[in-house]
Amino acid sequence: DAGVTQSPTHLIKTRGQQVTLRCSPKSGHDTVSWYQQALGQGPQFIFQYYEEEERQRGNFPDRFSGHQFPNYSSELNVNALLLGDSALYLCASSSTGYNEQFFGPGTRLTVL
Amino acid sequence: AQSVTQLGSHVSVSEGALVLLRCNYSSSVPPYLFWYVQYPNQGLQLLLKYTTGATLVKGINGFEAEFKKSETSFHLTKPSAHMSDAAEYFCAVGFSGGYQKVTFGTGTKLQVIP
Repeated sequence: DAGVTQSPTHLIKTRGQQVTLRCSPKSGHDTVSWYQQALGQGPQFIFQYYEEEERQRGNFPDRFSGHQFPNYSSELNVNALLLGDSALYLCASSSTGYNEQFFGPGTRLTVL
Repeated sequence: AQSVTQLGSHVSVSEGALVLLRCNYSSSVPPYLFWYVQYPNQGLQLLLKYTTGATLVKGINGFEAEFKKSETSFHLTKPSAHMSDAAEYFCAVGFSGGYQKVTFGTGTKLQVIP
């Protein structure tokens, strides 16, 4: 079992650009959640996808959007990047009705 | 609404000493509680979780935590610290109901002194 995988591992962008991060959930999981972890902070919930729809959303602007594919993998898109978007982006997968989330290693985004 | 407060952003212990990391939660419904560990430049690894049943929960690497509803606490302990325990620890709260949003605390960085 490969667990939760994320790509790329590191990314450098400039202000105003757009970025797409990818996540493949653990085998058997159908729910994907995305978190932003700024340096020295705890993870902050961005949104959660289930059955290809956004089911819950945290306090993040519309510049943050996502998608879930029929194979349960997911993308996180961020438009009009700001310096403050620099963070570790974590993907977590789980199975509906079961609360335990398994986290991927994250994508480190740096915005210059 | 739910929230987590971790007391102490940095904790230092000597190798072999007791580890105690404090976590208090707030939840309007019966909570599910978690402790995660994060090593530098890595993702989060689940140490242990409380959902229902026994209030003393044992996890990996010798860690355990006790759910105390009256104190709204879920403190993490380990009898004897090891150098490899040096990492950041996050307490988190979720709840049953299908929607699995988990709210994290701000983390406690554990330093183990040889």
